[in-house]
Amino acid sequence: HVQLQESGPGLVKPSETLSLTCSVSGYSISDGYYWGWIRQPPGKGLEWIGSIYFDGSPYYNPSLKSRVTVSIDTSKNHFSLRLSSVAAADTAVYYCARGSYDINAFDIWGQGTMVTVSS
Amino acid sequence: QSVLTQPPSASGTPGQRVTISCSGSRSNIGTNSVNWYQHLPGAAPKLLIYNNNVRPSGVPDRFSGSKSGTSASLAISGLQSADEADYYCAAWDGSLNGYVFGTGTKVTVL
Repeated sequence: HVQLQESGPGLVKPSETLSLTCSVSGYSISDGYYWGWIRQPPGKGLEWIGSIYFDGSPYYNPSLKSRVTVSIDTSKNHFSLRLSSVAAADTAVYYCARGSYDINAFDIWGQGTMVTVSS
Repeated sequence: QSVLTQPPSASGTPGQRVTISCSGSRSNIGTNSVNWYQHLPGAAPKLLIYNNNVRPSGVPDRFSGSKSGTSASLAISGLQSADEADYYCAAWDGSLNGYVFGTGTKVTVL
């Protein structure tokens, strides 16, 4: 039974860096799927942030690319998100998800974690 | 701004059929397969349809997807109160080189 769980600070100050980790259980993170981050600002829709593939190559939303880093740690079976120079517009529920190459979709999601950007 | 456009809302009475449209372009829906996600309040989004019209195991056959050209649709037949949720289409966009979600449609059961 594959499960994903986000963790990290719920409050980040403006201009600082948001850091989140997604812990994966029930599956080895190096076994052939890709891993992604998606967010949902309050009252708005879903926005893809970025994904990292099993060979370590990342893909990022062009609108966030200059501020985003997604990395993977196979020894800890988790992957991470760093978003620098945050502002109030980055306040959102952040989800991590597993992506399947076979179906080109995110098939398993974490429950999400709320991150507020405020001083 | 999302490159996939959906109506903001849709509604129906129990038992009715509701259809949600998703309009894109050649670089996303026109070239790549469409996925649909159901997002219930307070829950994680759930994959409802992939590869335009395939239901993952466990998804009722009341949900169906289709694609034509640069547009896609999700149909919910036999509408139930449990179907009240936000629904998002999504696809890879070759021009943006990224995954894009639709604007989302809130389904209300009257």
